[in-house]
Amino acid sequence: DADVTQTPRNRITKTGKRIMLECSQTKGHDRMYWYRQDPGLGLRLIYYSLDVKDINKGEISDGYSVSRQAQAKFSLSLESAIPNQTALYFCATSEPTGDTQYFGPGTRLTVL
Amino acid sequence: AQRVTQPEKLLSVFKGAPVELKCNYSYSGSPELFWYVQYSRQRLQLLLRHISRESIKGFTADLNKGETSFHLKKPFAQEEDSAMYYCAPRWYSSASKIIFGSGTRLSIRP
Repeated sequence: DADVTQTPRNRITKTGKRIMLECSQTKGHDRMYWYRQDPGLGLRLIYYSLDVKDINKGEISDGYSVSRQAQAKFSLSLESAIPNQTALYFCATSEPTGDTQYFGPGTRLTVL
Repeated sequence: AQRVTQPEKLLSVFKGAPVELKCNYSYSGSPELFWYVQYSRQRLQLLLRHISRESIKGFTADLNKGETSFHLKKPFAQEEDSAMYYCAPRWYSSASKIIFGSGTRLSIRP
């Protein structure tokens, strides 16, 4: 399912660098989400956007920011990356009911 | 607080044996409940939702409101069931956000 794409797929960076992860979707969904996945912790919500003008913090938003450039695009930024932000990051979309979430392939980020 | 607990990080069973992946959620209204699955090298995807009362790939999940549980079951495990499984309730009071459990890795031994 290539309806939700993420770039880059892998990224290695150094502490203090600014990083942007991008998500694009062709499903026409208003809702978009950013999660991080850590072993033993499952998926945790970073930010979510109910539509282009509605952006909300999730449970672990500190150290992250987002931009919803269009219905189809939702970017996640790490202003100053730190090693404990090393994780697998997933973007997802859903219809307004939020019933089913459609996930991207993930971005593996390593902060040295 | 709205919480979901999957007590087993890893569950290993033999092929053909029954499988039960446990999920408990905190009582805070009546959430809608989902199970998501992530197979090796594939995207996380919806497996089933309780409101549909469906059986997908032989899996079923029964909502027990008294015990606030939504355990995932399959009578006879198959090797292709090996994957990471996430229980995911959604409370409408939380802007319909889905909260994912920590996940259970199911490993089916031949």
